[in-house]
Amino acid sequence: GDSVTQMEGPVTLSEEAFLTINCTYTATGYPSLFWYVQYPGEGLQLLLKATKADDKGSNKGFEATYRKETTSFHLEKGSVQVSDSAVYFCALSDDNQGGKLIFGQGTELSVKP
Amino acid sequence: ETGVTQSPTHLIKTRGQQVTLRCSSQSGHNTVSWYQQALGQGPQFIFQYYREEENGRGNFPPRFSGLQFPNYSSELNVNALELDDSALYLCASSFDRGGGYTFGSGTRLTVV
Repeated sequence: GDSVTQMEGPVTLSEEAFLTINCTYTATGYPSLFWYVQYPGEGLQLLLKATKADDKGSNKGFEATYRKETTSFHLEKGSVQVSDSAVYFCALSDDNQGGKLIFGQGTELSVKP
Repeated sequence: ETGVTQSPTHLIKTRGQQVTLRCSSQSGHNTVSWYQQALGQGPQFIFQYYREEENGRGNFPPRFSGLQFPNYSSELNVNALELDDSALYLCASSFDRGGGYTFGSGTRLTVV
């Protein structure tokens, strides 16, 4: 079945460092891809999404490009802030499976001042 | 427009009991999904309702059941609670299946 694999955390960075969180997926169809963020004690917030190959999703300085050839959707940010500390989830949604979201295990990011 | 609201926020139950969790969908959304998120894990799909009909189910036993009401609010019921049911339960709503999902803040269930 469809699945999502993320790099393991925790990831610890200094403020203004460059961030990459790797995400790869396996899908039988043509899924949409998502990054969600979860702050402590809260639910999930959609960070960005891409619905087809070569699409780039972006929001709040974060970017991710849908790479069909490498089945990847890596999250990047050029300069992280302490307020970016959270858990980040990569997910896919496949219309062939009713549109349910399939999540990776999450990557915890900690940004130090 | 209001987002997705869930109640209660926290709950403690004893093994073997039954629990009902509630979710109010975002205005205009007709699809609701429920997810279970164990500590340190990604959310796992439980089931989805579209216009009051179950529209997909994950790998959860029948003691996990749900309802969607005409106003598109929803309930998740879990019977015969087990210790492993302790988790954060998330509700998400969208307009049509596969649309952009809005998540609630979740209900933290602890089974003792």
